[in-house]
Amino acid sequence: ETGVTQSPTHLIKTRGQQVTLRCSSQSGHNTVSWYQQALGQGPQFIFQYYREEENGRGNFPPRFSGLQFPNYSSELNVNALELDDSALYLCASRKLGSYEQYFGPGTRLTVT
Amino acid sequence: QQQVKQSPQSLIVQKGGISIINCAYENTAFDYFPWYQQFPGKGPALLIAIRPDVSEKKEGRFTISFNKSAKQFSLHIMDSQPGDSATYFCAASENYGQNFVFGPGTRLSVLP
Repeated sequence: ETGVTQSPTHLIKTRGQQVTLRCSSQSGHNTVSWYQQALGQGPQFIFQYYREEENGRGNFPPRFSGLQFPNYSSELNVNALELDDSALYLCASRKLGSYEQYFGPGTRLTVT
Repeated sequence: QQQVKQSPQSLIVQKGGISIINCAYENTAFDYFPWYQQFPGKGPALLIAIRPDVSEKKEGRFTISFNKSAKQFSLHIMDSQPGDSATYFCAASENYGQNFVFGPGTRLSVLP
């Protein structure tokens, strides 16, 4: 186990709703990244947070937003859910200046 | 230019055989090339990684071969075991992880 935890494990939402996913980083890690993994595909980089600020973003619309807290836990918020948002959402943590990142088990989001 | 291509899509190997997965990239700014292993229902786990200043890295049964001029890298799994059956992702990153790009994955099945 990596020490990165995510909650909830599974979630079902309706199109148009909003969702918040949570991540607790591994101890000592100050950088967190979020990824979307559609079924049968590789993870897609959503964004990265360091010192509570976003410092890198992939090709995702603004309705995907995040927060990082002083204890290095973080949230991913998705507004106006669409059917294509159904995926496994992964967070990964690492120390700034290190490439080695460690993933949590993910949250399976289903949008109906 | 941001893509990482991966082949084959799926691979079946007999126990004790060698599994080989190949990846190619275009972005010459990438400077970190990891491989991740993912089991069903789990997040990706870092397996082995290489920087472009070396051509090969070996850890136990796992070896990365890196060809900077061809912009290609590969994972070799020696003495493949049924427990190695999983999906493998290559990835590439630059600027200390502000941009992490994953390949589409290879589903490996090792037959007993």
